[in-house]
Amino acid sequence: EVQLVESGGGLVQPGRSLRLSCAASGFTFDDYAMHWVRQAPGKGLEWVSGISWNSGSIGYADSVKGRFTISRDNAKNSLYLQMNSLRAEDTALYYCAKGKIRWLQSNWFDPWGQGTLVTVSS
Amino acid sequence: QSVLTQPPSVSAAPGQKVTISCSGSSSNIGNNYVSWYQQLPGTAPKLLIYDNNKRPSGIPDRFSGSKSGTSATLGITGLQTGDEADYYCGTWDSSLRGVFGGGTKLTVL
Repeated sequence: EVQLVESGGGLVQPGRSLRLSCAASGFTFDDYAMHWVRQAPGKGLEWVSGISWNSGSIGYADSVKGRFTISRDNAKNSLYLQMNSLRAEDTALYYCAKGKIRWLQSNWFDPWGQGTLVTVSS
Repeated sequence: QSVLTQPPSVSAAPGQKVTISCSGSSSNIGNNYVSWYQQLPGTAPKLLIYDNNKRPSGIPDRFSGSKSGTSATLGITGLQTGDEADYYCGTWDSSLRGVFGGGTKLTVL
């Protein structure tokens, strides 16, 4: 069974940093691109970042570009999101999702993890 | 403001049919496949339709998808109370990013 388990969320003050992790199992991790998608409380889905199978291609939403860094460790079947200079508007449930293929471009995401909540507040 | 446009809400009676629209542009829907997701209350999104009209294993054929030009539509027939959820369309954009609609809340009256 394909499984994605996020961790690392929590309460953090504005301007501080946080690192999210996503542990993958049940599939050949390095055969797929991986993505982070977030959902602010009561709001819709927002794609945050994606990374190709070999980390050769990476993309970010304009809202996080320059502040967030996505990475992966294929030996550990893990995906990461380093979030710096956090703002109140980054408060959201962050989902890890498996991409369609090896390459960054993905028309669909499946499956999704259960999410990890990040709250940015003083 | 979401890149793709969906109606905020739709409703219909049990057993009836409902459609949810998703409007984009040539930089996203017009040149890429569309996917649809169902998000039941308190749960993660679940892939419902991919590549415009394909259903993953386990998704009943009551759910269907179509695409025309820069718009896509999700159809649900034989509505059940368990279908009450938020539905999102999604695709890839030429600006090398994923994009989603703002979501549509389905109420089964």
